[in-house]
Amino acid sequence: NAGVTQTPKFQVLKTGQSMTLQCAQDMNHEYMSWYRQDPGMGLRLIHYSVGAGITDQGEVPNGYNVSRSTTEDFPLRLLSAAPSQTSVYFCASSLTYGLHEKLFFGSGTQLSVL
Amino acid sequence: QQQVKQSPQSLIVQKGGISIINCAYENTAFDYFPWYQQFPGKGPALLIAIRPDVSEKKEGRFTISFNKSAKQFSLHIMDSQPGDSATYFCAAGGRFYSNNDMRFGAGTRLTVKP
Repeated sequence: NAGVTQTPKFQVLKTGQSMTLQCAQDMNHEYMSWYRQDPGMGLRLIHYSVGAGITDQGEVPNGYNVSRSTTEDFPLRLLSAAPSQTSVYFCASSLTYGLHEKLFFGSGTQLSVL
Repeated sequence: QQQVKQSPQSLIVQKGGISIINCAYENTAFDYFPWYQQFPGKGPALLIAIRPDVSEKKEGRFTISFNKSAKQFSLHIMDSQPGDSATYFCAAGGRFYSNNDMRFGAGTRLTVKP
């Protein structure tokens, strides 16, 4: 049982480049989300999805785009990378979007934007 | 604005000692308070959670204490072990909220010395 799988683990981009961070879960979870983790800031929600075809913005959505065409996959797109997007990105999922549902996190993608 | 304030940023404890991490929240609608544990290179994982109808919850060596009037909650790790060395995040969410409304503290890096 793989759980939540994120790729790549590490990525270096130049300012202005675009890329997609991949996230897949094999637990048939309804809810999926993307967080960024920065020193002293904790985890901040970027975008989330409560089901296939449904997405919405979190706390810090600017510069990021998401889509959810299947239950399993929830890619995060950086349209034009900026140094401020240097961070560690985590994908998380839960069975439903309910508050008390346990969140399962992937192992993260460390992104550096030069 | 940070809705959940966590302290200290880092903590060093001797093996066998008690580790204490504190969190304070502002929104009185919050009524679910989980703690997540993150090992280096891994994603956060749910450790223990409490709802405000109880003042304390214990699971093994881990205890959450909750003070509703002070809007504070804390994690106590008894008999701390080197294997407990990790970053700990508190979080808070509201009664009618979903997982997308959960807010995380900035994290505490715990080091347990042998």
